Amino acid sequence: DQQVKQNSPSLSVQEGRISILNCDYTNSMFDYFLWYKKYPAEGPTFLISISSIKDKNEDGRFTVFLNKSAKHLSLHIVPSQPGDSAVYFCAASAISDDKIIFGKGTRLHILP
Amino acid sequence: EPEVTQTPSHQVTQMGQEVILRCVPISNHLYFYWYRQILGQKVEFLVSFYNNEISEKSEIFDDQFSVERPDGSNFTLKIRSTKLEDSAMYFCASSLKRQGRSNQPQHFGDGTRLSIL
Repeated sequence: DQQVKQNSPSLSVQEGRISILNCDYTNSMFDYFLWYKKYPAEGPTFLISISSIKDKNEDGRFTVFLNKSAKHLSLHIVPSQPGDSAVYFCAASAISDDKIIFGKGTRLHILP
Repeated sequence: EPEVTQTPSHQVTQMGQEVILRCVPISNHLYFYWYRQILGQKVEFLVSFYNNEISEKSEIFDDQFSVERPDGSNFTLKIRSTKLEDSAMYFCASSLKRQGRSNQPQHFGDGTRLSIL
């Protein structure tokens, strides 16, 4: 059951450049999309979210874009910093549900 | 910043034994959740809890699992008779509002690594 898909297991980006993490979903009933960041030995930390009625949400260096027709969202980090090295999970929830459905995650490496 | 705390950080248990994982959610939160992540796999939803009862559960959450909020602060997950395949990282989460109807995110603890021998 792959309702939320992150097809890139890892991504390396030079410090200062833009990091773009991608996510696809299959369930058109999803109402909210969330990005979580996870360091080793820690739990997922909420980063940013977007409602399905919007196409962009920005918070400091982080911007999430939603393309509903393509069932695709992306997280942009500008500029990338060393502390951004972590696993990033794309997640989604539907109005009828309590649960968050997670993707498998993308490991982001920020190179000096 | 308030956070979700989980104890213990690592639990080793013999197969067939009962185990209780403990969580202290963020104090003003009303919705509580358990998730698990088997090594190399996705974070999977187990159960949600609101107003002292289960509001949603997944297929994974069978009769061997139970949850309880024994007092005003703790939220526990009990596995009655553990199996090898229960070995995973278990995450507790809490939120102020119901996930599906708000943009309120779920806040996660750092997890309990459960190892079944």
